[in-house]
Amino acid sequence: GAGVSQSPRYKVTKRGQDVALRCDPISGHVSLYWYRQALGQGPEFLTYFNYEAQQDKSGLPNDRFSAERPEGSISTLTIQRTEQRDSAMYRCARTEAGLNEQFFGPGTRLTVL
Amino acid sequence: KNQVEQSPQSLIILEGKNCTLQCNYTVSPFSNLRWYKQDTGRGPVSLTIMTFSENTKSNGRYTATLDADTKQSSLHITASQLSDSASYICVVSGGSNDYKLSFGAGTTVTVRA
Repeated sequence: GAGVSQSPRYKVTKRGQDVALRCDPISGHVSLYWYRQALGQGPEFLTYFNYEAQQDKSGLPNDRFSAERPEGSISTLTIQRTEQRDSAMYRCARTEAGLNEQFFGPGTRLTVL
Repeated sequence: KNQVEQSPQSLIILEGKNCTLQCNYTVSPFSNLRWYKQDTGRGPVSLTIMTFSENTKSNGRYTATLDADTKQSSLHITASQLSDSASYICVVSGGSNDYKLSFGAGTTVTVRA
């Protein structure tokens, strides 16, 4: 596979609830990216980590969205007080050290009712 | 406004036929351009990646071209197979941050027997 696992694969939640989406890349990969993909669209950049440092969070839609990668490996994307418009596929991608190629995980399909 | 525009939005071809997908971009400065194949329900998988100095690259029956002057790229699929049915996404990196990818909306290709 792409060397990235995500969990859960599917998440259904009620509006107003908080959700935490997990990305687990193969250990040793330096960079980790979060994307959001609406149906019929290409992925949209959310945020990027270099090791544990969040280098760019300009793509996060608003302050309800946050991400962390405290030990430079597993990352969590948290959405607080979810809204129906947050429903989408959330994808995580990794790059290998020295390469520019991004490898995408299977994604978490979030549905907010 | 999206910096990567793809056409057509979708197309249907008969098995064994060829087809060409188009991508125009405005990302500047330009670093590289990638074509991804995304099967339904799966994450995007890289087909080709080209820098500004490369004007063609092949991966099996897939051939990508790049004209960095006109900021256009194409993906040609030769002798299509049923397994080629997927969404093909053009992705450009560059701008102020080389790691930040700009995704097109994709072209959905359906190959029929």
